[in-house]
Amino acid sequence: EVQLVQSGAEVKKPGESLKISCKGSGYSFTSYWIGWVRQMPGKGLEWMGIIYPGDSDTRYSPSFQGQVTISADKSISTAYLQWSSLKASDTAMYYCARLRAESYAADYWGQGTLVTVSS
Amino acid sequence: DIQMTQSPSSLSASVGDRVTITCQASQDISNYLNWYQQKPGKAPKLLIYDASNLETGVPSRFSGSGSGTDFTFTISSLQPEDIATYYCQQYDNLPLFGGGTKVEIK
Repeated sequence: EVQLVQSGAEVKKPGESLKISCKGSGYSFTSYWIGWVRQMPGKGLEWMGIIYPGDSDTRYSPSFQGQVTISADKSISTAYLQWSSLKASDTAMYYCARLRAESYAADYWGQGTLVTVSS
Repeated sequence: DIQMTQSPSSLSASVGDRVTITCQASQDISNYLNWYQQKPGKAPKLLIYDASNLETGVPSRFSGSGSGTDFTFTISSLQPEDIATYYCQQYDNLPLFGGGTKVEIK
């Protein structure tokens, strides 16, 4: 069974760093893109970027370039999303998703990680 | 960069009604378009891929059509469990979502 399991909810202060994770199982982790999606409270879905764990090819949406870092450790089938200095505006639900190579269709999703940034 | 315009942003329909949502791309994206359903508090769910292919296990009342710049998503007979927000998503070099359509029961 394909599963993506994300790390738990986080409460952070502005300026702090954070790294959240997404562990894949039940499939070949290196053969599919993993993407990260932000959903701010009451708002729509936004793709942040994608990574191909097989060769670490990483692509960022223009709005998120330089704001976050996406990485993966294929030895433990885990993708990461990290911030070096959080802002209150980073408060959101973050989802990881597996993307099919041909269509970039996100066919499996993690359960989401809620990040709250507040002083 | 390709832009996606999804409409309407919300709609209200009766159980059994036919519901249609459109998505327009700012340039030709062939059939590189997917549709998702998101219920409150849940992760999105893939319904349609490559514009018109029904994902395994998805009820046949859901369908998609179109190619190039204009795409349509249809629920042939709205059911109470279809209350959700629906998103189109194109993929070029990077995936991109439309703004979403919130579907409610009248």
